[in-house]
Amino acid sequence: GAVVSQHPSRVICKSGTSVKIECRSLDFQATTMFWYRQFPKQSLMLMATSNEGSKATYEQGVEKDKFLINHASLTLSTLTVTSAHPEDSSFYICSARSSGGASSYNEQFFGPGTRLTVL
Amino acid sequence: AQSVTQPDIHITVSEGASLELRCNYSYGATPYLFWYVQSPGQGLQLLLKYFSGDTLVQGIKGFEAEFKRSQSSFNLRKPSVHWSDAAEYFCALSNSGGYQKVTFGTGTKLQVIP
Repeated sequence: GAVVSQHPSRVICKSGTSVKIECRSLDFQATTMFWYRQFPKQSLMLMATSNEGSKATYEQGVEKDKFLINHASLTLSTLTVTSAHPEDSSFYICSARSSGGASSYNEQFFGPGTRLTVL
Repeated sequence: AQSVTQPDIHITVSEGASLELRCNYSYGATPYLFWYVQSPGQGLQLLLKYFSGDTLVQGIKGFEAEFKRSQSSFNLRKPSVHWSDAAEYFCALSNSGGYQKVTFGTGTKLQVIP
């Protein structure tokens, strides 16, 4: 099956610093990647949709200048949390959607997540 | 707007007992429906999905789900629960055309007791 990796799996940083999280599709090309945020004991909330070679589309209420998304290739998207604060501490999960195929629906495959703790 | 409701936040079952997790959705047409499982600190694993056709869908790990259009439901079932099934379960919906945005329910935490 399709595999999506995230790096790092866990990161602790000081308030005010920036953190970059990578999302890679290992065995397929993903024209679209999604970034989700999950607070403790809550569901996944879509933050933004990342399309290869174009600007990301952010959901309402998500600060695009704070959560920078880059999708430079068909296998890599990055999320950079700029000037991180303790309230940014969360579990960030990416997913990648394959392109092409016979089905009209292209399934999303999820990464294992990145636990961010901002001190 | 599309939405997913999982009315049970937490469920406890005995090992070997049957399980049913409820999921209701709101969407104007026939949606694509999914069940995912998440172990603590882990990502999501797809258990099963419904796109069209047979309304009873078989998934991995012995799970199945039934799509009932009249009730706008997609409940997850397992005839005999194992201790390793303890996890968080998410029902999700995607619109069937265009953007295909996925909306997740709030999740049901399953506890399995000996």
